Amino acid sequence: SFELTQPPSVSVSPGQTASISCSGDKLGNRYVCWYQQMPGQAPVLVIYQDNKRPSGIPERFSGSNFGNTATLTISGTQAMDEADYYCQAWDSNTNTYVFGTGTKVTVL
Amino acid sequence: VQVVESGGGLIQPGGSLRLSCAASDFTVGSNYMNWVRQAPGKGLEWVSVIYSVGTTYYADSVRGRFTVARDDSKNTVHLQMNSLRGEDTAVYYCARDTMGGRGYGLDVWGQGTTVTVSS
Repeated sequence: SFELTQPPSVSVSPGQTASISCSGDKLGNRYVCWYQQMPGQAPVLVIYQDNKRPSGIPERFSGSNFGNTATLTISGTQAMDEADYYCQAWDSNTNTYVFGTGTKVTVL
Repeated sequence: VQVVESGGGLIQPGGSLRLSCAASDFTVGSNYMNWVRQAPGKGLEWVSVIYSVGTTYYADSVRGRFTVARDDSKNTVHLQMNSLRGEDTAVYYCARDTMGGRGYGLDVWGQGTTVTVSS
């Protein structure tokens, strides 16, 4: 079955750039979405269709997707960006949604 | 635009529970409504979807035990969960996808309802 792998954790200093990877077989051939989840809260969509931001999502969030890896980039990371982040794609073979393993971003 | 889940609780292994997801300011029948769960301390796991045309799909872990259905008259989606197991313990979220698998993502989420399966 289709799987998405993320690093368990990423650390970043305030104001610096955080990059979170999401790996899967031929992932570049699929659309990838990214979600932010604060502790005790529901996930929030921050990127859809690889690199588009929903209304209200800050410009410092951006995405890319090439080959086998999608990347969520947070530029000028702020303390409020400390959260868990999940990638997600759709498996057209099974008509199911697949989430990545999740990455905890810590702003030191 | 919002969804509100209800129906969670403590249930014994082998028991059944029905979750509900009530939508406001949009029509569930015109969207792809999903259930996603999160076990304590774990990541997100997709559970099921009901398409606007009524087609349903399930994760392997719940297929044959869970059934998703829609009540258009009440603008509500239900998840019937049977033969519950300890590993079904999780917060269950209802979430909307406007275009179904075309990369628009799950843009509206509820606050979740907690299901605990334990004797």
